[in-house]
Amino acid sequence: EDQVTQSPEALRLQEGESSSLNCSYTVSGLRGLFWYRQDPGKGPEFLFTLYSAGEEKEKERLKATLTKKESFLHITAPKPEDSATYLCAVQPERNTGNQFYFGTGTSLTVIP
Amino acid sequence: DAGVTQSPTHLIKTRGQQVTLRCSPKSGHDTVSWYQQALGQGPQFIFQYYEEEERQRGNFPDRFSGHQFPNYSSELNVNALLLGDSALYLCATYPFFGGKNYEQYFGPGTRLTVT
Repeated sequence: EDQVTQSPEALRLQEGESSSLNCSYTVSGLRGLFWYRQDPGKGPEFLFTLYSAGEEKEKERLKATLTKKESFLHITAPKPEDSATYLCAVQPERNTGNQFYFGTGTSLTVIP
Repeated sequence: DAGVTQSPTHLIKTRGQQVTLRCSPKSGHDTVSWYQQALGQGPQFIFQYYEEEERQRGNFPDRFSGHQFPNYSSELNVNALLLGDSALYLCATYPFFGGKNYEQYFGPGTRLTVT
């Protein structure tokens, strides 16, 4: 059964305190893994897509990495505006449509 | 350029009633997907519409149905509402040709509460 697990559920960081969010997945063949950011009262916003183990993507203070079993979202020197829920989703190889499987997210709070 | 818009913002219904939610895609987008996001959960795929037809469906009962209009806007209908249908309903759109489904643009959602 395809499954996505994110940890921790919630994370509080001081401004400038770097950390990582984890997304572990079980899927029968991975077509792609995706990270989204969701602000309260809004829909998710696409951040990164990763296709193969060893791949890395960066955007400002965020860096996403992928292994065969998990992905990490590294946040370097976070700012209060990075506070949001970060969602991870996978698309199985067998599925070419919109059947993404989302994790439950990590709620990040960055304290000034 | 207006992004994805959804209406209404909030809705309160009683068990057994029916509800219709609406989505207008971002300009240039013709593919619309609907997701259900329960509190504290990630979005779950309901179905996708393209060229006014349902192209793919997630694991949701037939009480959930939809429609896409010639202007690409879409409706989600839920019949015989259950308490468990309370959730944020998200619409996501992207251009079928030249677009990437994972880079879909999400609307702000409709918060449905069933009492």
